[in-house]
Amino acid sequence: QKEVEQDPGPLSVPEGAIVSLNCTYSNSAFQYFMWYRQYSRKGPELLMYTYSSGNKEDGRFTAQVDKSSKYISLFIRDSQPSDSATYLCANLPRRGGYNKLIFGAGTRLAVHP
Amino acid sequence: GAVVSQHPSWVICKSGTSVKIECRSLDFQATTMFWYRQFPKQSLMLMATSNEGSKATYEQGVEKDKFLINHASLTLSTLTVTSAHPEDSSFYICSAREAGTVMNYGYTFGSGTRLTVV
Repeated sequence: QKEVEQDPGPLSVPEGAIVSLNCTYSNSAFQYFMWYRQYSRKGPELLMYTYSSGNKEDGRFTAQVDKSSKYISLFIRDSQPSDSATYLCANLPRRGGYNKLIFGAGTRLAVHP
Repeated sequence: GAVVSQHPSWVICKSGTSVKIECRSLDFQATTMFWYRQFPKQSLMLMATSNEGSKATYEQGVEKDKFLINHASLTLSTLTVTSAHPEDSSFYICSAREAGTVMNYGYTFGSGTRLTVV
């Protein structure tokens, strides 16, 4: 079992839709949870991070963590064609390997006009 | 914000030659840098972790003699693909982390280098 599971998609939605991207993880030692966005042939850029259960909002993006079920989500409201990219969830353990990000497979999202 | 500069952005080389990729942290000191490899439509695969002034730690299955990593200063790490072959063609990405932080300047990625070996 992979430490971080993420459906690779692809996910295709119309402009304006609410997008839900999800990951599950198996290691309860994970403390920090991140979402990265990667455009084609570019490096990933950090979208959001959180370290506690609950919701964190930033503009059209909401990150949600449920540590009890080991489930993390990213919601995109009013999706735009410019949101078309691959979204990667990433986790960090609490200690012992603290500096190595564990990535999910990435979900490819296409938002069509 | 933190910026990591990676170059070249793309390179084509002949089989058997070596290629060097540079990764620089522009506005912070990166005590730890990471090198990833990414195949089309796949996630990032960590190749190695390098700490300034010490030898890199390679992930299982990564040939350290083929992928030479040097992290001689707090702002520069290099990856050299030695005796490159077509199967080494891939997208290589570096990431840098500032000491003492988890976020803010931590884990900033370069823009990647597309290597094609012909």
